[in-house]
Amino acid sequence: AQSVTQLGSHVSVSEGALVLLRCNYSSSVPPYLFWYVQYPNQGLQLLLKYTSAATLVKGINGFEAEFKKSETSFHLTKPSAHMSDAAEYFCAVSERRAQKLVFGQGTRLTINP
Amino acid sequence: GAVVSQHPSWVICKSGTSVKIECRSLDFQATTMFWYRQFPKQSLMLMATSNEGSKATYEQGVEKDKFLINHASLTLSTLTVTSAHPEDSSFYICSAPDRGGTDTQYFGPGTRLTVL
Repeated sequence: AQSVTQLGSHVSVSEGALVLLRCNYSSSVPPYLFWYVQYPNQGLQLLLKYTSAATLVKGINGFEAEFKKSETSFHLTKPSAHMSDAAEYFCAVSERRAQKLVFGQGTRLTINP
Repeated sequence: GAVVSQHPSWVICKSGTSVKIECRSLDFQATTMFWYRQFPKQSLMLMATSNEGSKATYEQGVEKDKFLINHASLTLSTLTVTSAHPEDSSFYICSAPDRGGTDTQYFGPGTRLTVL
């Protein structure tokens, strides 16, 4: 069985500061990993994905994540936070491509002016 | 990019009635679609996998007779909440994988169901 743990249900940073959202996974097979963003009352938008290619993955809106097998982690970072980054972020894992996703609990990101 | 739509975006119904939610892939075909449920301030929980031309696969603990899923075509899956009760009030989201080379899951905008 697969699982995802997001450390910190709420992260608050100042505008312009580094954003770091933590995600650890558990999987019995090589995982596919994803970060999604959700704005209030909306669906999910894909930020980036890891599918066994490069371990450092770049996504949209300046976000990137690094797959570290030894640490079973896939943390999301952005060098400089923008007010528009305020949203809920979900890390997810799947066993195979285009298959069902198992989501973490989510992290609410707040940006302080 | 691939687009998934849901209809309606929100619905309010009386307890005991049935509600149908549609999920459509607008510019690609999807033999599989997924239905998730999200309670306020919580994560998404997979309810079932919708398979075109065959029965849906339900996750453990999800009542098949209460949440009817029909994948009628390669672009449409429907979720019917039968005899809805207030505890069924939730945000329902569908997704579909795009097999046009990206294999990325695309999510619909969600449907907010409120049962009075």
